[in-house]
Amino acid sequence: SQKIEQNSEALNIQEGKTATLTCNYTNYSPAYLQWYRQDPGRGPVFLLLIRENEKEKRKERLKVTFDTTLKQSLFHITASQPADSATYLCALAQNSGYSTLTFGKGTMLLVSP
Amino acid sequence: NAGVTQTPKFQVLKTGQSMTLQCAQDMNHEYMSWYRQDPGMGLRLIHYSVGAGITDQGEVPNGYNVSRSTTEDFPLRLLSAAPSQTSVYFCASRNSAGASYEQYFGPGTRLTVT
Repeated sequence: SQKIEQNSEALNIQEGKTATLTCNYTNYSPAYLQWYRQDPGRGPVFLLLIRENEKEKRKERLKVTFDTTLKQSLFHITASQPADSATYLCALAQNSGYSTLTFGKGTMLLVSP
Repeated sequence: NAGVTQTPKFQVLKTGQSMTLQCAQDMNHEYMSWYRQDPGMGLRLIHYSVGAGITDQGEVPNGYNVSRSTTEDFPLRLLSAAPSQTSVYFCASRNSAGASYEQYFGPGTRLTVT
C-alpha cells in the first residue's frame, strides 16, 4: 500500500543551526512533492514545490531535495530561528495538473534560542 | 482578499445531529477540497471538487456529503454525526493554472461530537 513517512518525533535544534526534515514514500510515483508549514490552531501554509525531474529547489533559507531513486525528499532550513518552530508537512501528487494530494503526518520542529 | 474562510470555528454536536460546515473562497479557484486532521493521522481528504457542479470522493468520504453550486462555496454536510467525526476540518482551494499548484487552506473548524 502507499505510504508517506515523516519523523514522528519532534526535531529539537539550536538557533542558527540547519534543520533537516525527511519525507520518505513507498509505492508512489509522484509527479511533484510539496512542503507546507502548520502552526498550532491554524491551517497549513504552502512553502515549496519540487517536481519529479528536479533535484533541488531553493527559496530564501529553505532548500528541498527530491531523490526519486531513494524515494525521499529532504527539507532544509538554514540559519534556523525560533520563529521557524512549527509542524512541517510533506504532500505528494500522483499527476501533474490537477491531482489530489496525499499528506504525511508531519514533523514538529522546535528551534530554541 | 479574504482567501479561504470557514465557519464556524468551533462546534459541538450530539450524536445523530446533522450540520453543515461552510467554506468560501474569493480567489476564483476552480479546485476545492475538504480534509480532516486527527492526531497521529495527518490530513486526510474527504471530498473534492474540480469546478462548479463537479464533486468526487477522497480517502474518507463516508458520513459526509458535499455540493458545489458556485465557484466560491463548497459546504460539507455531516448527515448524522458520530463521535468518530470529532476532528479538525480544513477546507482548501487551488487555482487550475499556476506553476506551484499551491493549496490555500482555511483556518479550520474544530468539531466535537458527544
